[in-house]
Amino acid sequence: DAGITQSPRHKVTETGTPVTLRCHQTENHRYMYWYRQDPGHGLRLIHYSYGVKDTDKGEVSDGYSVSRSKTEDFLLTLESATSSQTSVYFCAISGQGGRDYGYTFGSGTRLTVV
Amino acid sequence: GESVGLHLPTLSVQEGDNSIINCAYSNSASDYFIWYKQESGKGPQFIIDIRSNMDKRQGQRVTVLLNKTVKHLSLQIAATQPGDSAVYFCAENGAGNQFYFGTGTSLTVIP
Repeated sequence: DAGITQSPRHKVTETGTPVTLRCHQTENHRYMYWYRQDPGHGLRLIHYSYGVKDTDKGEVSDGYSVSRSKTEDFLLTLESATSSQTSVYFCAISGQGGRDYGYTFGSGTRLTVV
Repeated sequence: GESVGLHLPTLSVQEGDNSIINCAYSNSASDYFIWYKQESGKGPQFIIDIRSNMDKRQGQRVTVLLNKTVKHLSLQIAATQPGDSAVYFCAENGAGNQFYFGTGTSLTVIP
């Protein structure tokens, strides 16, 4: 998707290992979000950021941490991956908190924890 | 329509027919709604939005209807094409300015 990239696109990791997913934007948007998408559930918010070094928890934040040291990058870290964290992770950005045309989403990272 | 069950609702339509996808939202205080399209292996993509002071909004081949009385949204796609095959889900902007996403409906267009 234009202006937002996620890396890696796919990752397989072992239980108990740390994992970091990266979201990079070129839109200079203030807000950035991490969601996970699982069968039977809508997109669920993990963490979000409303500025550099300003972050807050979403509804499924346990086991995840985030960091935003500069406007363009938002990192999601699984400190010790578990099988329940196998999911597709999406990063999203918005300029005004989403109330103008919602969010722009990245292409996702498929994470498998074995 | 959408649900929070394990199985994704599905809709199959013939190419050229109109499609209607439904969504029930949960929060009567929500005042902004978006329909997204998600193709396989890709992130969700904005289709159309509507604010609670409107009942209907039209885009190119798409129309969104909002019925606040019964907390219901629908997405109508005119002259459905094979490229419309995807998962469609609604999002509501409610408390705390957060968006809440439905589980989606899988649309298959039969050539």
